Amino acid sequence: QKEVEQDPGPLSVPEGAIVSLNCTYSNSAFQYFMWYRQYSRKGPELLMYTYSSGNKEDGRFTAQVDKSSKYISLFIRDSQPSDSATYLCAMSDNYGQNFVFGPGTRLSVLP
Amino acid sequence: DAGITQSPRYKITETGRQVTLMCHQTWSHSYMFWYRQDLGHGLRLIYYSAAADITDKGEVPDGYVVSRSKTENFPLTLESATRSQTSVYFCASSGAAASPQHFGDGTRLSIL
Repeated sequence: QKEVEQDPGPLSVPEGAIVSLNCTYSNSAFQYFMWYRQYSRKGPELLMYTYSSGNKEDGRFTAQVDKSSKYISLFIRDSQPSDSATYLCAMSDNYGQNFVFGPGTRLSVLP
Repeated sequence: DAGITQSPRYKITETGRQVTLMCHQTWSHSYMFWYRQDLGHGLRLIYYSAAADITDKGEVPDGYVVSRSKTENFPLTLESATRSQTSVYFCASSGAAASPQHFGDGTRLSIL
C-alpha cells in the first residue's frame, strides 16, 4: 500500500460544478496537510495549507482534514475552466522527516 | 522578483554527457529540494539540503550529485546522463522541514 493515495482521474466536470478531490494516507504521524495545483508545463503551486484536523476555507476552495479516517479533501465551488489542472495533495509529520506528495488528480472543467 | 528560478527550462543532451541543472531562490529558505516528475510516478525526491553544505539523499539519488555552497543555490548534476534520466526536474525550497515547499517551473530534460 502506498503511503498516500489519490484518484488519478482524469476528472471532467461542467463549469459551475462543485468538485471534490480526495487523498487517503496511512501514516498517523502526518500533521501538516497541503494541496497544490499544477498547470501544464509549470511547477506545483501551493493552494491550501492546514494543520491537524478541521476545515479551512479560502475563496472558492475548502480543505478538509479527517485524521481519524486518514482522509483529506479539497472542495472547489463554482468551478471555472481556469481550475483545469492537476491537483496534488501533500503531507508531513511535525519534523518534516517524512514529507510526501500524492500522485495527483487531473481535473478538467468544461465551459 | 523574489522566487525560485530554474535554468535551463529545456535541455537536450546525449547519453554519457554531464549536465548541470541550476536552481536559485531569493527567499533565503534553509531547505532546498530536487524532484523528478514522471508519468505514473508522480514527484520523487532526488536530494535535499537543510542548509548550506548539508545535503542528503532522497528516494532516487543514484546517478545524481548535488552541492550547496551558498544558501540560495542548489545545482543538480547528472555525471553521466542515461536515457532513464529523461524527465522533468523540479527544484523547491521551504523555510522549515515541515513547511510547504515552493516550486520552480521545472527543467524539461531529454537524453538521447
